[in-house]
Amino acid sequence: EPEVTQTPSHQVTQMGQEVILRCVPISNHLYFYWYRQILGQKVEFLVSFYNNEISEKSEIFDDQFSVERPDGSNFTLKIRSTKLEDSAMYFCASSFQGRDTEAFFGQGTRLTVV
Amino acid sequence: AQKVTQAQTEISVVEKEDVTLDCVYETRDTTYYLFWYKQPPSGELVFLIRRNSFDEQNEISGRYSWNFQKSTSSFNFTITASQVVDSAVYFCALSEDNTDKLIFGTGTRLQVFP
Repeated sequence: EPEVTQTPSHQVTQMGQEVILRCVPISNHLYFYWYRQILGQKVEFLVSFYNNEISEKSEIFDDQFSVERPDGSNFTLKIRSTKLEDSAMYFCASSFQGRDTEAFFGQGTRLTVV
Repeated sequence: AQKVTQAQTEISVVEKEDVTLDCVYETRDTTYYLFWYKQPPSGELVFLIRRNSFDEQNEISGRYSWNFQKSTSSFNFTITASQVVDSAVYFCALSEDNTDKLIFGTGTRLQVFP
């Protein structure tokens, strides 16, 4: 069964460092998303991406965040200068047709900023 | 503004009991989509069901059933004859017609004891 794959599963980084979280969405999906979940809290939307551009972003997704689809299979989230409060589980998701179809999530990358 | 409320923070049951997880949503849109996701201890988000606002039919899938009532803005989830493997955090989510983002509730942690 096709699935969304995220790497790494866990990343520890020092405050101020740049991190790149990687995702391989389901191959025929057209819409891609990043969400985050701070430990024990609810899942929050960060950004959606369609047709090689950001279609929507939340207030959380400020200038320190960026997304890219560098090739036909990967979808990345870059955090330029990490802060302690960026520590969270980051989920990548993809869907075939946006809101008209369900989004499938990856297993998450746990980011710990120290 | 859109909002999803899962008032039950944690529920504990003994195996084989039936359990209902409540979800109440708020939206001004007439077209919207409702979802349930399961987050087992391993951390991934597993899609369970998607419902659009025009389809108020209840759905049953094995031991799972969903009751969608627009009159009370609720989309409740019932597990019949619960099993230990059902232990997880369950999230209800909402997506409105003009956006692809999911708005998640705070989740309900279900613990099923043998």
